[in-house]
Amino acid sequence: DAGITQSPRHKVTETGTPVTLRCHQTENHRYMYWYRQDPGHGLRLIHYSYGVKDTDKGEVSDGYSVSRSKTEDFLLTLESATSSQTSVYFCAISDGLDRDTQYFGPGTRLTVL
Amino acid sequence: GEDVEQSLFLSVREGDSSVINCTYTDSSSTYLYWYKQEPGAGLQLLTYIFSNMDMKQDQRLTVLLNKKDKHLSLRIADTQTGDSAIYFCAESAPEHQGGKLIFGQGTELSVKP
Repeated sequence: DAGITQSPRHKVTETGTPVTLRCHQTENHRYMYWYRQDPGHGLRLIHYSYGVKDTDKGEVSDGYSVSRSKTEDFLLTLESATSSQTSVYFCAISDGLDRDTQYFGPGTRLTVL
Repeated sequence: GEDVEQSLFLSVREGDSSVINCTYTDSSSTYLYWYKQEPGAGLQLLTYIFSNMDMKQDQRLTVLLNKKDKHLSLRIADTQTGDSAIYFCAESAPEHQGGKLIFGQGTELSVKP
């Protein structure tokens, strides 16, 4: 398995509070991605990074920000969590060379009350 | 635009073949993928097919690609209860090096003994 960890694995928070999810990789891959998974929608891309300090928006980026200050860490922040952000969040990595294959972390289940 | 469609559910008997179907819209995709998600886990790459291929076989898995109809299928021979999972097809978006992927909604495969 690719060396990807996500923390926390589970979180319950209240509407309006800030939340930060962390993705950590030990593969030295250049590209990192944050997805959310919701029933009937599959995985939708929130933000991605193509290098340290280089990030771009995905299809569902509203209400989320990201930061990547080191190759190994990609942080996803919900500045003011809303109930619509209740979801399972997955981080993925890619070296951009191996048929664009992405490798996924175990996921973080976030509940916003 | 980019869109990947899958049926949401499939139920088969143990020992039968399973066929999971997917349609996509971006004819310029370089690769098409099948990922498997077991309960409570992240996505694992099952197999992929290059867009200039028609078929790829890997043990019990057969991938068929019909570029004219933009149709991708995954056949699992001799389906086992351990194959019960959600299966996602995905296409690569070629304009982003590093492999932005577009996922379908996922097909939940239920294998009955």
